[in-house]
Amino acid sequence: KAGVTQTPRYLIKTRGQQVTLSCSPISGHRSVSWYQQTPGQGLQFLFEYFSETQRNKGNFPGRFSGRQFSNSRSEMNVSTLELGDSALYLCASSPAWETQYFGPGTRLLVL
Amino acid sequence: AQSVTQLDSHVSVSEGTPVLLRCNYSSSYSPSLFWYVQHPNKGLQLLLKYTSAATLVKGINGFEAEFKKSETSFHLTKPSAHMSDAAEYFCVVNSKNAGGTSYGKLTFGQGTILTVHP
Repeated sequence: KAGVTQTPRYLIKTRGQQVTLSCSPISGHRSVSWYQQTPGQGLQFLFEYFSETQRNKGNFPGRFSGRQFSNSRSEMNVSTLELGDSALYLCASSPAWETQYFGPGTRLLVL
Repeated sequence: AQSVTQLDSHVSVSEGTPVLLRCNYSSSYSPSLFWYVQHPNKGLQLLLKYTSAATLVKGINGFEAEFKKSETSFHLTKPSAHMSDAAEYFCVVNSKNAGGTSYGKLTFGQGTILTVHP
């Protein structure tokens, strides 16, 4: 089976812009979770979707949002970008919610 | 609430010597525990997982971990380090709530960077 894919792999934006990241889960996986990885804060949970419904959410401001489509593909959006949003954004998929398999990540740089 | 503490931020070993990466966890309910590895500029790869079956868990690339409930520990070991093992390792907990689910939220330790010297 193909693994989790994320697009784009690299992105440069300026403060105040918005960005949309995409994640395609492993075929048959219905749960998609998103994480932010930074040197200072480590890996932090953003949110999880299952069958197009957000089931769980981390402690991030409302500028961070996501959605899941009927084919289980997921997108996350960050509006009004801040310098501190520069990070590696990782997507993970799972059949339900247990063992998660990660994609290669999207590296976002906000200037 | 759940938490994970990786006791060493850096571990340095020589090639061919044993590896020990230490992890303690805190969880209100029966946890599932994982070790992931991240090579530079890559995503996370699952090494092994504990989900309330055998307490000694074998993973890929010769790694194994032992779940010790009394010590709330889940240390990662490998008998003989290889140069390709150099990477950052994360101990991760996925706690179940009273209903038996956790809905996809993994809590990560701060990571241990493993350096392997020739």
